Amino acid sequence: EAGVTQSPTHLIKTRGQQATLRCSPISGHTSVYWYQQALGLGLQFLLWYDEGEERNRGNFPPRFSGRQFPNYSSELNVNALELEDSALYLCASSLGTGGTGANVLTFGAGSRLTVL
Amino acid sequence: AQSVTQLGSHVSVSEGALVLLRCNYSSSVPPYLFWYVQYPNQGLQLLLKYTSAATLVKGINGFEAEFKKSETSFHLTKPSAHMSDAAEYFCAVSGTGRRALTFGSGTRLQVQP
Repeated sequence: EAGVTQSPTHLIKTRGQQATLRCSPISGHTSVYWYQQALGLGLQFLLWYDEGEERNRGNFPPRFSGRQFPNYSSELNVNALELEDSALYLCASSLGTGGTGANVLTFGAGSRLTVL
Repeated sequence: AQSVTQLGSHVSVSEGALVLLRCNYSSSVPPYLFWYVQYPNQGLQLLLKYTSAATLVKGINGFEAEFKKSETSFHLTKPSAHMSDAAEYFCAVSGTGRRALTFGSGTRLQVQP
């Protein structure tokens, strides 16, 4: 079974540009989560998509956005890049349990974004 | 709201020594608790999870964790450290449903030869 795949592995942009990161969940998983892991700041929750809709977002400005496609893959867009956006962006997916039980997230290897 | 606090951003042990990584949680509902491990330049891998079935949870690679409600703790232990255990470890908490996990700040484990 293929795991969660993310692309690109590395991305270098300059300030003000836009970045697009992509994620393919495990087959059968309908929920996709995005986290930002910046140096020294741990994992910060960005966005959660389920069944094509944004269900929740973390404390990030609107220039962080994304979407989930009918095949449940997802992309994260970061507009007007700032230096502090440099981080490892992790995508995770889950099957969910219909509203009960533990929600086990399976993570991809991440996309490292560097903003110069 | 739920949160976890990991005590100690860096822990160093000798090979063969006991590993103890501390995690305390705060939750208004019965929590689900997780430990994940992150090796350099990789994503997070699930070590173990607590889902209220048993308070002592065994995970992969010889790790285990004990849920103690009275202490609101979920510490991770391994009897004998191996060099390959060197990594960053994250404790996480969630409630029911598909909500995102809330992670602690992580503990970097160093294993000295």
